[in-house]
Amino acid sequence: AQKVTQAQTEISVVEKEDVTLDCVYETRDTTYYLFWYKQPPSGELVFLIRRNSFDEQNEISGRYSWNFQKSTSSFNFTITASQVVDSAVYFCALISSGSARQLTFGSGTQLTVLP
Amino acid sequence: KAGVTQTPRYLIKTRGQQVTLSCSPISGHRSVSWYQQTPGQGLQFLFEYFSETQRNKGNFPGRFSGRQFSNSRSEMNVSTLELGDSALYLCASRPGGLQETQYFGPGTRLLVL
Repeated sequence: AQKVTQAQTEISVVEKEDVTLDCVYETRDTTYYLFWYKQPPSGELVFLIRRNSFDEQNEISGRYSWNFQKSTSSFNFTITASQVVDSAVYFCALISSGSARQLTFGSGTQLTVLP
Repeated sequence: KAGVTQTPRYLIKTRGQQVTLSCSPISGHRSVSWYQQTPGQGLQFLFEYFSETQRNKGNFPGRFSGRQFSNSRSEMNVSTLELGDSALYLCASRPGGLQETQYFGPGTRLLVL
């Protein structure tokens, strides 16, 4: 069985603040893939990043950065200088060879960026 | 490329009725997965189709079924609707491999009265 935990249900920040969204995962498989998706109020899940279990390099894309640490089974997401348009629900997800090929999602973190 | 499209976007049904939702994947993608999203249960996997065959199935009752056509378009059907079936139904497509990213459509919001 696999599991993804996003302990932060809601986070509220003021524009231009940095914010980190936490994601902790559990899997017995050695090959797995981690994802972050953004869900704005419209409902569509927007893909942000994919990481495989063999690549622990951190990644930066503009104001977004991701910290993948296998030692702590975490895949955290940081938004630098947050903007109002970043307000959304963010989901962390996991898929592995033993997961019957299905994405397992965390419960999501509602991020509100106040002007 | 055009993204994943889903129709209809909104549906209102009554208990006991059945409903069919449609999903058109990104061109060239052969895998289509369906997910149910509710406030109480979050995002849950329903099933996946690949080359017209169901490749994987989540833990949902038999009232939930699906199929895929030769052009990779997929439909899911829910029979004998219950109030608890009210949800956002999301479809996702990917080329086919486990490691590939799933791209989601805008979803169909189903309300069962």
